[in-house]
Amino acid sequence: QQKVQQSPESLSVPEGGMASLNCTSSDRNFQYFWWYRQHSGEGPKALMSIFSDGDKKEGRFTAHLNKASLHVSLHIRDSQPSDSALYFCAASYNTNTGKLTFGDGTVLTVKP
Amino acid sequence: GPKVLQIPSHQIIDMGQMVTLNCDPVSNHLYFYWYKQILGQQMEFLVNFYNGKVMEKSKLFKDQFSVERPDGSYFTLKIQPTALEDSAVYFCASSFMKYEQYFGPGTRLTVL
Repeated sequence: QQKVQQSPESLSVPEGGMASLNCTSSDRNFQYFWWYRQHSGEGPKALMSIFSDGDKKEGRFTAHLNKASLHVSLHIRDSQPSDSALYFCAASYNTNTGKLTFGDGTVLTVKP
Repeated sequence: GPKVLQIPSHQIIDMGQMVTLNCDPVSNHLYFYWYKQILGQQMEFLVNFYNGKVMEKSKLFKDQFSVERPDGSYFTLKIQPTALEDSAVYFCASSFMKYEQYFGPGTRLTVL
């Protein structure tokens, strides 16, 4: 079983709409969660991290973590065509190595 | 923002040959990573490297794999000899301490 699972596999929203991406972990030892975005032909780029229960907001992006249910989500309000990309959820343990465990990704398409 | 460079972008080699993938990390970063992504599958951690040593490696980091960063230059992943199952995109990443990892654009390795 994969330790980090994402849903949906793909998502299409209209420009200006809200996109909601989900991630569930099966390992309670994960302490840190990251959202990465990858545009075609590029490497993943970190959007934000979260490690405390509740919401964390950065501009149009809001991450939510519920440690009890091992669920983390990313909400993008006022979605723009430039937000179209592959979004990864990644998790790490509280160790010195920083190893990331990635989910399969969600393909987001924002239609003008 | 800070950029990680990877050379070459694409490498095609015959099975059994040696290949070296090069990564130019962000200049003040201390931790270095390699991840492997097979087409259509999730990105998986291979190894991380700090202070001249391997800190952690996954089961994907076979005996044929080695990493080094001689004299603070490129961080390299060497595979000797290569196998068909080594065909993948290899992403290098670097971070300052165990915080946000910055990824390069990847090297697509094709083993024939």
